[in-house]
Amino acid sequence: GAGVSQSPSNKVTEKGKDVELRCDPISGHTALYWYRQSLGQGLEFLIYFQGNSAPDKSGLPSDRFSAERTGGSVSTLTIQRTQQEDSAVYLCASTTSGNEKLFFGSGTQLSVL
Amino acid sequence: SQKIEQNSEALNIQEGKTATLTCNYTNYSPAYLQWYRQDPGRGPVFLLLIRENEKEKRKERLKVTFDTTLKQSLFHITASQPADSATYLCALVNQGGKLIFGQGTELSVKP
Repeated sequence: GAGVSQSPSNKVTEKGKDVELRCDPISGHTALYWYRQSLGQGLEFLIYFQGNSAPDKSGLPSDRFSAERTGGSVSTLTIQRTQQEDSAVYLCASTTSGNEKLFFGSGTQLSVL
Repeated sequence: SQKIEQNSEALNIQEGKTATLTCNYTNYSPAYLQWYRQDPGRGPVFLLLIRENEKEKRKERLKVTFDTTLKQSLFHITASQPADSATYLCALVNQGGKLIFGQGTELSVKP
């Protein structure tokens, strides 16, 4: 595609429900990141996929968060048993292996009521 | 652990002036540093990358410096315009090999 695509753009859910956020990276990009951005804050690293290597999950805040990347392309971030503090914008970015220029999607605004 | 610090207070300047934003980092010596622009409701957009062996880099009205001794990068916008109003983020690849971001500085250019 022309750019990084994220869906849905907005998600409202009830506390305790599970949510799945999707990211379609730029074709051919081997690296993919997930970040979280709370209102007025910077980007908090969540997880990093690089080619066929094991993902770097060191930023995931709890075991309720998980992510996978199928076929080296589409990625899904799953949050189980959502809590109100999970409300934030979740941003996905992709790049070539060198990490020298990230291309971001527009994000998914998650609201947990 | 590596930390990146940017001015948390918003920067307000008059149109036509030069805006200068600061990015400081600790506990690491990155091979390069990047700057991004973020508009409300959008993802960040890459602006410039500067390598450790480059003291200065320019792109149109943008200028970035990189002082590896001070562990600091300065980001300048000359002849600023209201359209330059946005949040500017610096980023570097940490020792773990992943890109981490500062919290960003909001710039507001008044006509």
